[in-house]
Amino acid sequence: GAVVSQHPSWVICKSGTSVKIECRSLDFQATTMFWYRQFPKQSLMLMATSNEGSKATYEQGVEKDKFLINHASLTLSTLTVTSAHPEDSSFYICSAERGAGYEQYFGPGTRLTVT
Amino acid sequence: TQLLEQSPQFLSIQEGENLTVYCNSSSVFSSLQWYRQEPGEGPVLLVTVVTGGEVKKLKRLTFQFGDARKDSSLHITAAQPGDTGLYLCAGVNYGGSQGNLIFGKGTKLSVKP
Repeated sequence: GAVVSQHPSWVICKSGTSVKIECRSLDFQATTMFWYRQFPKQSLMLMATSNEGSKATYEQGVEKDKFLINHASLTLSTLTVTSAHPEDSSFYICSAERGAGYEQYFGPGTRLTVT
Repeated sequence: TQLLEQSPQFLSIQEGENLTVYCNSSSVFSSLQWYRQEPGEGPVLLVTVVTGGEVKKLKRLTFQFGDARKDSSLHITAAQPGDTGLYLCAGVNYGGSQGNLIFGKGTKLSVKP
């Protein structure tokens, strides 16, 4: 099956710093990648849709200047949490859409803790 | 706004029992997917149902898509401790140039030996 990786798997940072999370599709090209956020005991909430070579589309209520997304190649999308605050602590999960179909393959997630 | 309601939210059963998880919406979806997620990991796709009334089986798991494509169910026969996890349904509705997944809140299943 399709494999999607995320790096790092967990990160602890201080308030005010920025953190970059990478999402890679390892064995397929993904023109579209998605970034989700998941709070404890809750479901996944879509933050933004990342398209290779163009600007990301953000969901309502998600600050684009705070959550910077770059989809520079067909196998890599990055999410940068800028000036992180404790309330940004969460589990961030990316997914990649394989081809033009509707199946998304999810990465293993990144646990961000902001102290 | 499209919503998917999952029930029950929590389910704790003994090994060998059967269970059914429901996923309901007032909206019609192009297709519906079921995922299983373990703590600290991303969701893993179990199945995609596309046609109204479709039934798919994956070993002891049976998935059904409602005739009107608004609801779905997941039935597990003779549950085992390895089935423990968070089960998520997600509706797919192509609007515009790309599709987004709309997730239910999930059903946390615990199977005790």
